[in-house]
Amino acid sequence: EDQVTQSPEALRLQEGESSSLNCSYTVSGLRGLFWYRQDPGKGPEFLFTLYSAGEEKEKERLKATLTKKESFLHITAPKPEDSATYLCAVQASTNAGKSTFGDGTTLTVKP
Amino acid sequence: GAVVSQHPSWVICKSGTSVKIECRSLDFQATTMFWYRQFPKQSLMLMATSNEGSKATYEQGVEKDKFLINHASLTLSTLTVTSAHPEDSSFYICSATSPTGAIYEQYFGPGTRLTVT
Repeated sequence: EDQVTQSPEALRLQEGESSSLNCSYTVSGLRGLFWYRQDPGKGPEFLFTLYSAGEEKEKERLKATLTKKESFLHITAPKPEDSATYLCAVQASTNAGKSTFGDGTTLTVKP
Repeated sequence: GAVVSQHPSWVICKSGTSVKIECRSLDFQATTMFWYRQFPKQSLMLMATSNEGSKATYEQGVEKDKFLINHASLTLSTLTVTSAHPEDSSFYICSATSPTGAIYEQYFGPGTRLTVT
């Protein structure tokens, strides 16, 4: 069974204080790993897809990396508007389109 | 691109009535749509997977007669909560996907807040 574990559950940072969110996964044949951002009361917003170990993707202050067992979402010099819940999901090559989601990390950035 | 809409964004209904929620992919054709339920401070719980023109596949523990899903076209899926009860109150989110090569990136709608009184 595919599993995704995200840590920490919650993270509080001061504005400008860089940090990383972790997503550990077990999957039978990784087709892709996704990162989403979810604001309260809204649907998740797609951020990145990573396909293979060693791959990195960047968007503004966010950088996602992937190894064979985990992914990190690095946040550089965060701002209060980066406060949200970040979700990680994996898609197995055996699952046509279906993804397994982690429970998310809730990030709060204080000014 | 990859915009998904949901309607309504919120709805209040009385116990025993039925409520229909629409999910549309606005700028792409979605071969597959997913319906999720989310409780406060919890992650997404997959309810069912629907493919255009075929019956939905429900996750274990989800009552198919209570949560009716219809995927009538490549841009529209509907979820009908039949004979709603207060315990059905939740945040319902759909996602739409279409394969890009071998991978299916999911794009989510904004969600529908259902309150059953």
